[in-house]
Amino acid sequence: GAVVSQHPSWVICKSGTSVKIECRSLDFQATTMFWYRQFPKQSLMLMATSNEGSKATYEQGVEKDKFLINHASLTLSTLTVTSAHPEDSSFYICSAPNPPRLASAKNIQYFGAGTRLSVL
Amino acid sequence: SQQGEEDPQALSIQEGENATMNCSYKTSINNLQWYRQNSGRGLVHLILIRSNEREKHSGRLRVTLDTSKKSSSLLITASRAADTASYFCATDAGWAFGDDKIIFGKGTRLHILP
Repeated sequence: GAVVSQHPSWVICKSGTSVKIECRSLDFQATTMFWYRQFPKQSLMLMATSNEGSKATYEQGVEKDKFLINHASLTLSTLTVTSAHPEDSSFYICSAPNPPRLASAKNIQYFGAGTRLSVL
Repeated sequence: SQQGEEDPQALSIQEGENATMNCSYKTSINNLQWYRQNSGRGLVHLILIRSNEREKHSGRLRVTLDTSKKSSSLLITASRAADTASYFCATDAGWAFGDDKIIFGKGTRLHILP
């Protein structure tokens, strides 16, 4: 199956610093990737859709300037949490849609292992 | 925003028993999926059922879909300790959302007791 790699898996940072999280599709090209945020024992909340070569599409209530998304190539999307604060501490997960985008299964997502961010 | 709602929120059963989780959603869909998440990890796709299908099987998994009631169920038969995880349903909500975007339900935390 398709593999999505997410790095780092765990990061601790001081309040006010910026943190970059990478999401790579290892064996397929992904023109679209998705970024989610998950609080303990809760569901995944979609933050934004990352589009290769164009601006990301953010969900309502998600601050664009706070969560910078760059999708510079067909295999890499990055999420930068700028000026992180303790309330940004969370589990962040990325995903990419199923290749080769069969009509019957195009919504299937392949997920990275997630990044646990702790802001002190 | 949440599309699906699973129940129960948490379920503990003995190893070997069957586990049933339910999911309800709000809008018309093209398909519905179930995912599994081990603690602190990413999600793994389990099964997809299309809106014109009523039942689907994959190994020990059985999924049903009732579009008239906007609900789905996931049955895991002969449960094992390794099935302990959170299970989420996800829908595409048809035309209301982008082509690839899926929206997750709140999930069911399943714990298999030895």
